[in-house]
Formats: sequence, C-alpha cells, structure tokens
Amino acid sequence: DARVTQTPRHKVTEMGQEVTMRCQPILGHNTVFWYRQTMMQGLELLAYFRNRAPLDDSGMPKDRFSAEMPDATLATLKIQPSEPRDSAVYFCASGRIQETQYFGPGTRLLVL
Amino acid sequence: EDQVTQSPEALRLQEGESSSLNCSYTVSGLRGLFWYRQDPGKGPEFLFTLYSAGEEKEKERLKATLTKKESFLHITAPKPEDSATYLCAVHMKSGGGADGLTFGKGTHLIIQP
Repeated sequence: DARVTQTPRHKVTEMGQEVTMRCQPILGHNTVFWYRQTMMQGLELLAYFRNRAPLDDSGMPKDRFSAEMPDATLATLKIQPSEPRDSAVYFCASGRIQETQYFGPGTRLLVL
Repeated sequence: EDQVTQSPEALRLQEGESSSLNCSYTVSGLRGLFWYRQDPGKGPEFLFTLYSAGEEKEKERLKATLTKKESFLHITAPKPEDSATYLCAVHMKSGGGADGLTFGKGTHLIIQP
C-alpha cells in the first residue's frame, strides 16, 4: 500500500530556530506539493514541484521559507528563522499530472 | 477571485439520519472537483474526483454529485465511523499555481450512535 511519508511527525522549536521537514512521495509520482493547514486559513498551497523542478512557490513567504527536491524520493521544506505564526500542520502530497493528489500524515509544528 | 465555500461548517446527525454536505465554487475553468475525508491528526484521505456537471460517484454510504456551480456529498444512513471533516477542493485549468488544489474550510460531521 503506497503512501506518502513525512518526517518528523511533530516538532516543537523556539522562535528563530531552523526547521526542516521531509517528505517521501509515492514511487512513480512526478508532482510533489507542500500545503499548510491552520484553523483560521484551512489548507493552503505553499509550493509544488514537477519532475523535481519547482513550478510555483507563490504561496510561500520567500524570505524565510525554502523548498527543494534533491532527488525523486525526497522533498524538503525549510523555515529559517522560524516564527510563532508558522505554527501549523504541514502536509506533503504527491500525484501524477492532472491526477489525484495523495496526502501524507503531516508534520505538526509548534514554534514557541 | 477563485473561491470554494463549504456548508454547513458543522453538522451533527443521529446514526441512520441521511443528509447532504454542500460545496459551492467560483473558479475560472474547473479541471476537477475533489472530496477528501480528514480524521483528527491525519492527512486528507481521497474520496472522489468529479470532472463535469452531471457526474456522480458512489462509495459505500457516500455519493458525490456535481453541477456547474456546486457539488454535494450525500451521506445515506451514516454510521459513527463516518464522523470526520469532509473537505472539498477544486483543481483549476492553467495559470500559475493551477496544479495545486484550492480547498474549502471543510464540514465537521459528527454521527451520534
């Protein structure tokens, strides 16, 4: 049963620290998405990649967020420096072009 | 501006009491409309994709329908295990960021035994 995996599942850090979240997409999926979920805003698209190339990151605060895909089995989302307003659940999803997106379990981030 | 609005925000039903959840959308060019289920502490789980007005899909006690302006998720004779947040999302045609999904805020459904 192929699944998207994400690590860590939970992260508590202090304001100003660097946070790195990792995602392993489903094998064979060439599109990887990063979403953020908060109570106020719901699920919002941050960035996505196709065939490891970044296609859109307009949803990300670019001064502190960065997303990369160093190889086909790993996508990373980094926040540096982190702020309390970054506290949220971050989801990775993968899929093929114009097909269903499958979500991982999420990384629950708390910035104190 | 493209929007997805779900109603009601929350719904409490008795076991066996059928109902419908609504998702209305205003997007410039719909590529697909998706329904997901999300349990507490978990990621959204895919349920259905609908592509054109008039299309319907069913899975167990759930049936999703689509018109040009809205989609309904009908729940027939629900059971307590159907309790979850149901999310609607749209996939738009072309344009920057268009491959991502635009989500509604969800309907929090509780089925009481």
